Amino acid sequence: DAKTTQPNSMESNEEEPVHLPCNHSTISGTDYIHWYRQLPSQGPEYVIHGLTSNVNNRMASLAIAEDRKSSTLILHRATLRDAAVYYCILRFGNDMRFGAGTRLTVKP
Amino acid sequence: NAGVTQTPKFQVLKTGQSMTLQCAQDMNHEYMSWYRQDPGMGLRLIHYSVGAGITDQGEVPNGYNVSRSTTEDFPLRLLSAAPSQTSVYFCASSRGTGQNNEQFFGPGTRLTVL
Repeated sequence: DAKTTQPNSMESNEEEPVHLPCNHSTISGTDYIHWYRQLPSQGPEYVIHGLTSNVNNRMASLAIAEDRKSSTLILHRATLRDAAVYYCILRFGNDMRFGAGTRLTVKP
Repeated sequence: NAGVTQTPKFQVLKTGQSMTLQCAQDMNHEYMSWYRQDPGMGLRLIHYSVGAGITDQGEVPNGYNVSRSTTEDFPLRLLSAAPSQTSVYFCASSRGTGQNNEQFFGPGTRLTVL
């Protein structure tokens, strides 16, 4: 199974951009890269996903390396509400394997 | 739309008791799934369903049963609860199967087995 590697934790200042990295060196050609986040005491929330090209939505941007072995989730202006655990997931078939994720702390 | 709803929010069981965790969605989604999350860890897939009448096992299915008689409901049954099943349980749904669909998660059920 393809796995992802993320830093355990990151800190950011409020209203500054945040770049959350994810390594997935064993990704297969058909794996989609998904990002979810989990706020305290809540269920995970979808953030963004992509296959090969960079993706943008109202929440974030996803930058995918040309060889697809890494990706970066970009929050353009972090707010206190963005403090959460962010999961980078390779989705294959009907399964979705979560790792431990990156705990993002946003300082005012 | 209410989205994905789960009941109860909290439950305490004694070892050996049985119970059913309820999950419902009102988005007419084909795909539904159950995850458990242990402290400090990511979610692990227990069972999933790609449509009414079809279920399959995920990563950690032992000790759990599921059925899918309607599109809307996907209950999770613990036949004989064990302390190792103490966890937070999340139900999720998505419009279709496969990799190009986002999943919507419920608020979770926190289960303690004594």
